[in-house]
Amino acid sequence: GDSVTQMEGPVTLSEEAFLTINCTYTATGYPSLFWYVQYPGEGLQLLLKATKADDKGSNKGFEATYRKETTSFHLEKGSVQVSDSAVYFCALSVVGFGNEKLTFGTGTRLTIIP
Amino acid sequence: GAGVSQSPRYKVTKRGQDVALRCDPISGHVSLYWYRQALGQGPEFLTYFNYEAQQDKSGLPNDRFSAERPEGSISTLTIQRTEQRDSAMYRCASSSQGTEQYFGPGTRLTVT
Repeated sequence: GDSVTQMEGPVTLSEEAFLTINCTYTATGYPSLFWYVQYPGEGLQLLLKATKADDKGSNKGFEATYRKETTSFHLEKGSVQVSDSAVYFCALSVVGFGNEKLTFGTGTRLTIIP
Repeated sequence: GAGVSQSPRYKVTKRGQDVALRCDPISGHVSLYWYRQALGQGPEFLTYFNYEAQQDKSGLPNDRFSAERPEGSISTLTIQRTEQRDSAMYRCASSSQGTEQYFGPGTRLTVT
């Protein structure tokens, strides 16, 4: 079946550090890939997505590139801020008859210290 | 505009009781999903509706769990004879076909 393996946390970084959160996947068919973020006290929000190989999703300074050859979708940011502290989830969906159910990784808790 | 809403936000119930969790999707969204998220884990798919039709219920863990969306809008997830292992965050999401899923705030269920 479909699955997502995500870098285990928690991750603690200093402000302005470089961030990488690793994500690899296995899927039947051709998945779309997503990063969702959950800020403290809030619900899940879509951060970025990529729908085909070599696509790069980007938002709020975060980037991730869909790598089919390595089945990866690593999240990166060049300079993190305290406001980036949150839980990050990698996810995939393989569309089947309109059903775009998401398969999530376990989440990575990120804490940025000033 | 209004996002996805869920009620109640918190529910504490005794083992053996039935509970009903409600999801009110974004107006006009035809697709509705239910997920369950255990502490420290990612959300896991439970069931999917296209309008009022439940087209995928492969994630429902057993027959104590059921869901409906009778008029293609509000949905209810019902858990009968709750057990402690049912304690989790229950999340609802809605979308237009082919667009991102918008998640509600979740209902945190605690079974004592």
